[in-house]
Amino acid sequence: DTEVTQTPKHLVMGMTNKKSLKCEQHMGHRAMYWYKQKAKKPPELMFVYSYEKLSINESVPSRFSPECPNSSLLNLHLHALQPEDSALYLCASSVSGTASNQPQHFGDGTRLSIL
Amino acid sequence: TQLLEQSPQFLSIQEGENLTVYCNSSSVFSSLQWYRQEPGEGPVLLVTVVTGGEVKKLKRLTFQFGDARKDSSLHITAAQTGDTGLYLCAGEGYSTLTFGKGTMLLVSP
Repeated sequence: DTEVTQTPKHLVMGMTNKKSLKCEQHMGHRAMYWYKQKAKKPPELMFVYSYEKLSINESVPSRFSPECPNSSLLNLHLHALQPEDSALYLCASSVSGTASNQPQHFGDGTRLSIL
Repeated sequence: TQLLEQSPQFLSIQEGENLTVYCNSSSVFSSLQWYRQEPGEGPVLLVTVVTGGEVKKLKRLTFQFGDARKDSSLHITAAQTGDTGLYLCAGEGYSTLTFGKGTMLLVSP
């Protein structure tokens, strides 16, 4: 069992829908991440939050909107997505976004399909 | 941009065989992490190597960090079907990880 919990596990939505992905960790980690992963490819970094503030946005389209309500929660709001956005969305956390040698703990992801 | 090249991209072997996966870069990393990802799950950290020349063993898995901290290898002895998965190396930058493209390992009985 992973210590990073992502919900839902699967999501199918139309291109006009609005939905949110949720991520939760209770390890006291202060850095949280969103990644996008296509089949048989490595995870691609989307966003990094450090101490609840957005520190890195890897030029992600505005149809993806992250939110960090508190140190344990990370959301990814989705609106007007495209079929090419279908992928596994992974959340991860680490102790700190600034210290070195920080392993990242990943959730099992949300499998998103855009119709 | 720091790039990590992994080889081979895909490896299909029989149970009991040995294998080595390589991770190479032209950049120096402060540390390098190896993850394994099984279908339907997120990546799970196997090991972090920090010191140039370092060798770490995890049961049948042996990880080595190059002297110049630009490359690493993962050697698996007597592979088992449970070793099947996507193996990812990741170099640490400031607040982020740079992932290699991964090696998909399939171990057949």
